[in-house]
Parts: sequence; structure tokens; C-alpha cells
Amino acid sequence: DTQMTQSPSSLSASVGDRVTITCRASQSISRYLNWYQHKPGKAPKLLIYVASSLQSGVPSRFSGSGSGTDFTLTINSLQPEDSATYYCQQAYSSPFTFGPGTKVDIK
Amino acid sequence: QAQLVQSGAEVKKPGASLRVSCKASGYSFTGYYIHWVRQAPGQGLEWMGWIDPNSGDTKYAQKFRGRVMMTWDTSITTVYMELRWLISDDTAVYYCARGGEVPRFDPWGQGTLVTVSS
Repeated sequence: DTQMTQSPSSLSASVGDRVTITCRASQSISRYLNWYQHKPGKAPKLLIYVASSLQSGVPSRFSGSGSGTDFTLTINSLQPEDSATYYCQQAYSSPFTFGPGTKVDIK
Repeated sequence: QAQLVQSGAEVKKPGASLRVSCKASGYSFTGYYIHWVRQAPGQGLEWMGWIDPNSGDTKYAQKFRGRVMMTWDTSITTVYMELRWLISDDTAVYYCARGGEVPRFDPWGQGTLVTVSS
């Protein structure tokens, strides 16, 4: 199975800050990497697919990059509504494993 | 737009079986797979498997094989996930999500809280 790791596990940032979350796969997954935002009591929301494609309706302050084993989610100009846990997920091979999550708090 | 609506919360005893439904609307039901993902309290997201409502093909995570079954009813655009021989570690929120064979999960159902307790 492909193991996914994320760093940091949590962060606190101010409104307007640029935030970067990294995700690493235990083996190459090409660009088959998705990012989700998950708020308590809500369903997860797809933000980015195939590493860098922005899902329809997602604000352009979210962006993704990377390939192979190393990936990044960037939030430019952090907003209060971005407080959530962010998960990466590999879509290269079954089982389609998720990272452990990065909790983003607003200072 | 595409929407998935799941059945309500359940409380089950250890050893019992669980069935969660996921009703799809707003898109071609047979055009996409339905995946199931769960989240135990304080834990991350765990993929369980998928079903293709077009063919009935299924694929389950190794962890759940022999204990999970995913079925579908095209006439009511609904997919079901059955989990047998429940243990306390199966306490979780269960989600269905639309995806493809190369999955990107969107949308998701609202989640179904399942509590396994004696």
C-alpha cells in the first residue's frame, strides 16, 4: 500500500498569510494526488485534483503542485473560512490512501 | 447539481450488521463509481472500497474484504454499503462519494454516524 504523510500536522496563521502544506507518498504516484478540505460536521470538499487542477467553484487562492512523491497545497491570502483540516489522497493505486491531515487554525 | 444523500445515524451492538444507503441525484447514476470512506473519532479518512453502478463491479480495501458488501439499485439510484460482524472500532462517520476508477471524490454524502456499543 502507498503510505501518505503530511506536514505540518497543524499550523496557526493570520488572515492574509500564505500557507503551505506538504504531502509525501511512499512511492511514486505520478500526479494522481487530490486535496480535500474538511470542516467539523461537514462532508469533505474536493479542492485540487491531479496535483494542480482546481476543482470548479473553489477559490483561486488554493493551488497545488508536485509530482512523483512530493506535493504541495498552497493557500494564498488565508481567509477565516479556511479554518479546517486538509487531507491529501493518492488516486494512483488501490487502496486510495489519505494523509493524516493538517489542521489549519486562524490566529 | 450532483447530490448524494445518506441514511440516518445508527447504533449497533457488537457482532451485528450495518447497512448504510446513499441516494444519488442530479447526474447519470451509472456514469460514475460510488466510493465509501469512513472517519473514526479523532482519526483521519479511510477508504473502504467502490462500486460501479453500471456493471456491479466492486473493489474493496483488503482490510474490509470478507466483511463488507456494496450493492446498488438502479431503479432508485441508490447504493448500499453493508458491514458485518461489527466491532467497537467500526464506530465512525461513514461517507459515500462519487468518483471514477481514478478517484477524485466529489460530491460527498453528508455522512452517517455509526456507533457500535454494547
